[in-house]
Amino acid sequence: DTGVSQNPRHKITKRGQNVTFRCDPISEHNRLYWYRQTLGQGPEFLTYFQNEAQLEKSRLLSDRFSAERPKGSFSTLEIQRTEQGDSAMYLCASSVRQGINEKLFFGSGTQLSVL
Amino acid sequence: QQPVQSPQAVILREGEDAVINCSSSKALYSVHWYRQKHGEAPVFLMILLKGGEQKGHDKISASFNEKKQQSSLYLTASQLSYSGTYFCGTEGDNFNKFYFGSGTKLNVKP
Repeated sequence: DTGVSQNPRHKITKRGQNVTFRCDPISEHNRLYWYRQTLGQGPEFLTYFQNEAQLEKSRLLSDRFSAERPKGSFSTLEIQRTEQGDSAMYLCASSVRQGINEKLFFGSGTQLSVL
Repeated sequence: QQPVQSPQAVILREGEDAVINCSSSKALYSVHWYRQKHGEAPVFLMILLKGGEQKGHDKISASFNEKKQQSSLYLTASQLSYSGTYFCGTEGDNFNKFYFGSGTKLNVKP
């Protein structure tokens, strides 16, 4: 169990640029979540995959955000035409569900700063 | 659907006790508790399922009252290592996503 890995750890970009983050979940986990966290707030749900299928996407997520999970393994989160309001920590979590018992394992996150 | 946590912040001396509350306006199927230290990822503490159960982990325990749609986290004889931000997470009614509260920042001082 190597844990959930996220890259890069930090990303600084200029407004209007596109950015892509990667998440490698724990290998046997079929569920993968993306959350966004700003200072002093709890993780805010963005989207969720079960295997390669994206089952839900937050209504808060604009069309500039897209996520993929090809072959049900790693996942990428892309933000197009970044805005200063996109600055946040982007957290990935993976899990495997057993009945109604599910425990999320979080990665260390990618801290995005949009200048 | 985001659960509400209280208090927002707690300052304790080592050895003191604290209670953190989490409530939801929606029916709860399970409640999760996580702790996040500054600059680190949230770490799972425990999950409580329907049935009003209580759980304990070392000197940290929790209760879940599904009728009141509330959960409480109890930290007994706090240690310096307990410092961090505690989040409760609740499942949506489609079991597909977790909503997290805004967190309770706990600061344990010597």
